[in-house]
Amino acid sequence: DAGITQSPRHKVTETGTPVTLRCHQTENHRYMYWYRQDPGHGLRLIHYSYGVKDTDKGEVSDGYSVSRSKTEDFLLTLESATSSQTSVYFCAMAGSPGPGELFFGEGSRLTVL
Amino acid sequence: GIQVEQSPPDLILQEGANSTLRCNFSDSVNNLQWFHQNPWGQLINLFYIPSGTKQNGRLSATTVATERYSLLYISSSQTTDSGVYFCAASYYGQNFVFGPGTRLSVLP
Repeated sequence: DAGITQSPRHKVTETGTPVTLRCHQTENHRYMYWYRQDPGHGLRLIHYSYGVKDTDKGEVSDGYSVSRSKTEDFLLTLESATSSQTSVYFCAMAGSPGPGELFFGEGSRLTVL
Repeated sequence: GIQVEQSPPDLILQEGANSTLRCNFSDSVNNLQWFHQNPWGQLINLFYIPSGTKQNGRLSATTVATERYSLLYISSSQTTDSGVYFCAASYYGQNFVFGPGTRLSVLP
C-alpha cells in the first residue's frame, strides 16, 4: 500500500514529442513535488505544488510544466522532449503542517532518443 | 537558502561493521529526514528527525539542530544496507534540499 504511485514507470520516446508523467496519491497530502535524478547531480527539484492549482518552479524547471487540478494528481509535462531530459523522475508528497515528512513514489525512467 | 553537505561521499564496509554518516546543514531547519536509495532505485524513508534521537532496529539517528548537523548510525551492517543514503532538510514553507549522498557498499 504505497500511498503514492507514478505512471508510466518506464517510457522511451523520441526528441520533440510531448510526454506526460502522472503522480497519484491517496493520502490527501497538501504538498507534491517532482524531482529528477541524474548521475553526479543528486535529486533536483523541477516543480512543486502546495495545493490544488497552486504550483511553483524549482531549480530545473525549464522545459517542464505541471498541473494539479485535484489534490490526488500532479502531472508533469514535457512539451517537446529533448535528450537532456533523459532521467529518472521521482514524485513525492508531504502533509501539513510544514511541509511534513516527505514520501517518494517508485520513480519513472524516461529515455528520449 | 539551505545548503546540505554529507560525508563521507563513499564508504566500504565489511559485513558486521558499524558506521556513522554525517549531514551538515547551513541554516535553521524544522524538517530533517534520512533516506536510503536501494540498488533498485527506490527511495525509502529511514527517519524523520528534526531534532533529538530515534532508533529503528540496527539504525539510529541523532539531529543536533543548534549545531546544524545530523548523524545516521548503522550497526552490524548487512549487505542489504548497501546503496546511497541521502539527508534532506527544509525550513518552514521552503522546499526540501537534498545532500549529495553517501554511497555505502557492504561486502560479504
